[in-house]
Amino acid sequence: GQQLNQSPQSMFIQEGEDVSMNCTSSSIFNTWLWYKQEPGEGPVLLIALYKAGELTSNGRLTAQFGITRKDSFLNISASIPSDVGIYFCAGLFTSGTYKYIFGTGTRLKVLA
Amino acid sequence: NAGVMQNPRHLVRRRGQEARLRCSPMKGHSHVYWYRQLPEEGLKFMVYLQKENIIDESGMPKERFSAEFPKEGPSILRIQQVVRGDSAAYFCASSPQGDDYGYTFGSGTRLTVV
Repeated sequence: GQQLNQSPQSMFIQEGEDVSMNCTSSSIFNTWLWYKQEPGEGPVLLIALYKAGELTSNGRLTAQFGITRKDSFLNISASIPSDVGIYFCAGLFTSGTYKYIFGTGTRLKVLA
Repeated sequence: NAGVMQNPRHLVRRRGQEARLRCSPMKGHSHVYWYRQLPEEGLKFMVYLQKENIIDESGMPKERFSAEFPKEGPSILRIQQVVRGDSAAYFCASSPQGDDYGYTFGSGTRLTVV
């Protein structure tokens, strides 16, 4: 089945650093979502993007919907230890029925 | 408001047994989705259901797996004759309209086949 490619796969960063990750696809999507998953829990929605070129913030998080509609980016500024987790992008696949296809995840570890 | 409720949180089954995973969507949500997450991997779509209807089961393995969302009660993901490769976290998500609204996920059921 379809899956989105995320990079990097994992990263260790120092507390206070900024983090960037991205998500790419060979298909065009009309909606992009970013989720965070903490150990032992389900993913929690962070940001939703509905329009190509859109830039949306949620606190220290900023996400962008790529102009080509085939990619999206997530930035976290001034990382803190509780930012640890797996970040997933999801694109809305509308060929046939509507369902979200998820990326492979970026595993973030923050060193205090 | 209760979120998406999944139970059990952990399930251990011997090879060949049946596993039943339950999901109660958020109040007011009539669209349910099941995803599987293997260790260190992403979320793979399995099936999309509305009440009494399977809308999209393109991600379901052809054998041993089935899902339902009856008129009353929770959605059930059923795995017959489990094998070790079925060990994974199974997440249910719900949404109000089934279009481009983001999903709300449950905490998952972690299935271990021994």
